[in-house]
Amino acid sequence: EADIYQTPRYLVIGTGKKITLECSQTMGHDKMYWYQQDPGMELHLIHYSYGVNSTEKGDLSSESTVSRIRTEHFPLTLESARPSHTSQYLCASSESGSSGNTIYFGEGSWLTVV
Amino acid sequence: AQSVAQPEDQVNVAEGNPLTVKCTYSVSGNPYLFWYVQYPNRGLQFLLKYITGDNLVKGSYGFEAEFNKSQTSFHLKKPSALVSDSALYFCAVRDRAGRGSTLGRLYFGRGTQLTVWP
Repeated sequence: EADIYQTPRYLVIGTGKKITLECSQTMGHDKMYWYQQDPGMELHLIHYSYGVNSTEKGDLSSESTVSRIRTEHFPLTLESARPSHTSQYLCASSESGSSGNTIYFGEGSWLTVV
Repeated sequence: AQSVAQPEDQVNVAEGNPLTVKCTYSVSGNPYLFWYVQYPNRGLQFLLKYITGDNLVKGSYGFEAEFNKSQTSFHLKKPSALVSDSALYFCAVRDRAGRGSTLGRLYFGRGTQLTVWP
């Protein structure tokens, strides 16, 4: 089992609200990722990080932002949520070094914007 | 460009029968290949991966996958399916670039919904 935790698991908020999805891992992994997934659909990389103070945008454009102040913590923030942000957000992490290292996923955060 | 294809959106199989979930890939050089499983309202769970060596890789829950370089395939298999195997399965490929713009990132297929009926 991977030690990567996401909170909240489920969130329903109103349009225009600011939200932060938390992600923490206790494995000491340098690389962390955020993926977005609509129900039953493929995953899209929206943010990633090589390590502390490193953040990059992924393949899918997203209005969210991320920060990496500590190795174990990689929160995702939406300043003003919209219904189009309704989706599942999956946080993941992996060791540095070989790309053969497994990427481990959290349980996901389901966001519904009404 | 790296890409993964899972040609079947759905696979249905009777319990006790063998199952195969297909995956083909396109990547420059030698890839790292992964299979993940996702149960409803859950994150992705790692099943197995191919790095190098033996083309037949054994993973969790009795699953295995065969790497075929000439056919650029990495099909997931299980000799005897269980109803509890019903889930969404994702194949993923990761290039061997550990740094730079690609980060050695995972490229996912669209997923295959496996249904095992009693």
